[in-house]
Amino acid sequence: AQTVTQSQPEMSVQEAETVTLSCTYDTSESNYYLFWYKQPPSRQMILVIRQEAYKQQNATENRFSVNFQKAAKSFSLKISDSQLGDTAMYFCAFLNTNAGKSTFGDGTTLTVKP
Amino acid sequence: GAVVSQHPSRVICKSGTSVKIECRSLDFQATTMFWYRQFPKKSLMLMATSNEGSKATYEQGVEKDKFLINHASLTLSTLTVTSAHPEDSSFYICSARGLSGGGSDTQYFGPGTRLTVL
Repeated sequence: AQTVTQSQPEMSVQEAETVTLSCTYDTSESNYYLFWYKQPPSRQMILVIRQEAYKQQNATENRFSVNFQKAAKSFSLKISDSQLGDTAMYFCAFLNTNAGKSTFGDGTTLTVKP
Repeated sequence: GAVVSQHPSRVICKSGTSVKIECRSLDFQATTMFWYRQFPKKSLMLMATSNEGSKATYEQGVEKDKFLINHASLTLSTLTVTSAHPEDSSFYICSARGLSGGGSDTQYFGPGTRLTVL
């Protein structure tokens, strides 16, 4: 079974600074997808970024980028120029295309301070 | 694109009654839908996975007769909590995956339903 580990339960960052959230996973599969989701206080889960395991290039979405290290099974999220609206719980997720369902980490609560 | 709606957003019911929660994919066809339960400041706990036209697959420990899931069409899934009790009070989130801009591998989430059983 796949496992996803987010080792930082809580983090904080000053507005406009950069922060990196860590995520590691364990799998024996070679084809899979990785995701970061954001859950703000409204509790609506929002897709932040998506990475296909077969792609070496790290995914980027505006201020959000990932550092995908397949051999190390690491998938960290970097948020640049942090904004107050980035305050949320962030979940790392793994999808084994064969299994059909995602595995989520325990989440990291990020607070952006003014 | 890839919007998932969920209704109602909040529901309060008396113990012993049944509650139905609807989940709709508004702009794509959801071949697979998921139902999660989430406790405050915790991760999502998968309850069941349903494919359109098929019976749902429940996770271990989830009572099938208590949490009835129907995925009758490619855009609608329902979760019915039967004979609800206070311990069923929680935040329930649906998610859909299908043919959308993100491809068939990306899950999109509804806004959630807060169930309170008195």
